[in-house]
Amino acid sequence: AQSVTQLDSHVSVSEGTPVLLRCNYSSSYSPSLFWYVQHPNKGLQLLLKYTSAATLVKGINGFEAEFKKSETSFHLTKPSAHMSDAAEYFCVVSDGGTASKLTFGTGTRLQVTL
Amino acid sequence: GAGVSQSPSNKVTEKGKDVELRCDPISGHTALYWYRQSLGQGLEFLIYFQGNSAPDKSGLPSDRFSAERTGGSVSTLTIQRTQQEDSAVYLCASSPYPGLLYNEQFFGPGTRLTVL
Repeated sequence: AQSVTQLDSHVSVSEGTPVLLRCNYSSSYSPSLFWYVQHPNKGLQLLLKYTSAATLVKGINGFEAEFKKSETSFHLTKPSAHMSDAAEYFCVVSDGGTASKLTFGTGTRLQVTL
Repeated sequence: GAGVSQSPSNKVTEKGKDVELRCDPISGHTALYWYRQSLGQGLEFLIYFQGNSAPDKSGLPSDRFSAERTGGSVSTLTIQRTQQEDSAVYLCASSPYPGLLYNEQFFGPGTRLTVL
């Protein structure tokens, strides 16, 4: 079975500084990995997904994630945080089976301060 | 275009009552999923539909939970004899190509269920 571990439940950064949200995965095969974001009272939105075409994945709103097989990590980064980035971020793995059901990490709440 | 919609957005019910939650997926999406988001359990998979059939119901927490999908479109999640531990946000998602690696799921805004 696959799983993901988000190492920080809460991250606080100042506006304009870099963002790093950490995620480690466990999978017995080549995983399908995603980052989703959930703004308050909004639905989940896909930020980016790992497709094996490239280990560095670019997503929306300036976010990136790097797949590192040797470290079983898929950390999410952004060079400069914006106030609008404040939200809950979920690292997600798909089982890759016919259902493609998703297994979510516990989430990291990103706070951005002035 | 229209995304996944869910209704009601909020539902407050009394313990022991039955509730129905509705999901309208994106038109043409063959796969539909229900997830539950609660404080103690995070985001959990409940059930998956391919067309009108549900090949994976492994996440349904008890026999009080059931779901159906009709016409390959709208789905209803029914919770009978609700309990306080059923309080959560119920999320619906749809996708066009289940089983395809890297296949994205599109989520609705959720239904917040509160059982008093």
